[in-house]
Amino acid sequence: GQNIDQPTEMTATEGAIVQINCTYQTSGFNGLFWYQQHAGEAPTFLSYNVLDGLEEKGRFSSFLSRSKGYSYLLLKELQMKDSASYLCAPDRGSTLGRLYFGRGTQLTVWP
Amino acid sequence: DADVTQTPRNRITKTGKRIMLECSQTKGHDRMYWYRQDPGLGLRLIYYSFDVKDINKGEISDGYSVSRQAQAKFSLSLESAIPNQTALYFCATSDHRDSKNIQYFGAGTRLSVL
Repeated sequence: GQNIDQPTEMTATEGAIVQINCTYQTSGFNGLFWYQQHAGEAPTFLSYNVLDGLEEKGRFSSFLSRSKGYSYLLLKELQMKDSASYLCAPDRGSTLGRLYFGRGTQLTVWP
Repeated sequence: DADVTQTPRNRITKTGKRIMLECSQTKGHDRMYWYRQDPGLGLRLIYYSFDVKDINKGEISDGYSVSRQAQAKFSLSLESAIPNQTALYFCATSDHRDSKNIQYFGAGTRLSVL
């Protein structure tokens, strides 16, 4: 079966660093996506990890451990505009293009 | 201009009515998807299509049907709407030539079934 576990909510203050964890179990695995979704808006692509390790992209970094079924999204120098839901989505490679989305982690950044 | 356009943006309908949600894209992508999003449940895949002649059921296709009228258009129909189909619906597209197969989402259609 498919199972994705990520915290429901997190809070942090401006300028801080926050790590959003995701563990997953899926039938078939090609890589893992992170999407950002502001309230009432469309999800937008943040990152995609295929290989183990950390990939950095500006203030955002994403980590993957395939053997542990674990990923995290690291957000640095938090800004108010980073308040959003962050969706972990394994890419089930055997069924191309079929992402399985987690329920999302609602991040609130306080001034 | 939006690359993935969903119409209508909001819709209120009554139980038993047939309703169609439309999605069009100017990205030139061959793959299109329909999701619904409910509070606390995340995004769930309803149907997807990898090209004009290809239609596949997702995880929650019961009560829905789709039509891929052209590469750029993918519509979702609720044959007889029921209240538990009240949700936020998203269309998405991707390109088979993209090794990451990133999906790009429309702005969503908020549907209420009374």
